[in-house]
Amino acid sequence: QVQLVQSGAEVKKPGASVKVSCKASGYSLRTYVIHWVRQAPGQRLEWMGWLSAANGNTRYSQKFQGRVTITRDTSASTAYMDLSSLGSEDTAVYYCASGTTVTTLDHWGQGTLVTVAS
Amino acid sequence: DIQMTQSPSSLSASVGVRVTITCRASQDIENFLNWYQQKPGKAPRLLISAASSLQSGVPSRFSGSGSGTDFTLTISSLQPEDFATYYCQQSYSTPPITFGQGTRLEIK
Repeated sequence: QVQLVQSGAEVKKPGASVKVSCKASGYSLRTYVIHWVRQAPGQRLEWMGWLSAANGNTRYSQKFQGRVTITRDTSASTAYMDLSSLGSEDTAVYYCASGTTVTTLDHWGQGTLVTVAS
Repeated sequence: DIQMTQSPSSLSASVGVRVTITCRASQDIENFLNWYQQKPGKAPRLLISAASSLQSGVPSRFSGSGSGTDFTLTISSLQPEDFATYYCQQSYSTPPITFGQGTRLEIK
């Protein structure tokens, strides 16, 4: 059974960075694309970027270009999303999701709440 | 970027009725359209991919149709567990993947 388990909630100060992890079980991370999507309170889902776990290639939304980095450790079956220069507008639940292609987000992690406050 | 617009934004309906949610793309996306269900405090769940392909384990009362710019999600007979927010998502022209603003389905 495919399962994605994310790291716990974070509280960060403005200007700081956050790193959220996403551990896969039940399948080989190498065969999947890992997406990161966020959802601010009461807002729509917002796609941030994806990583091909097989070769490490990444594509990012232009909105987050330069601030977001998605990486993976295949030996640990874990993907990571690093977001820098945090502002209050980055307060959101961050989700990882996997798919066999870049087009569909088949399985989702439980979400990680990131709160940015001084 | 391709903009996705859903209608209505919210909807009240009774158990047992038929419900249709519409999603419109700002340009032709062929059939690169997926539908998700999200319940409060939970992650989204993929219901339908490629506009009309029902995912394994999703009840057959859910169906999707459309191509090009106009798409619909239909629930043939609403059940209590179907009250949630529904999102459409395009993946025709990426990046970025884009989502609709969501349709909140509430009990009448």
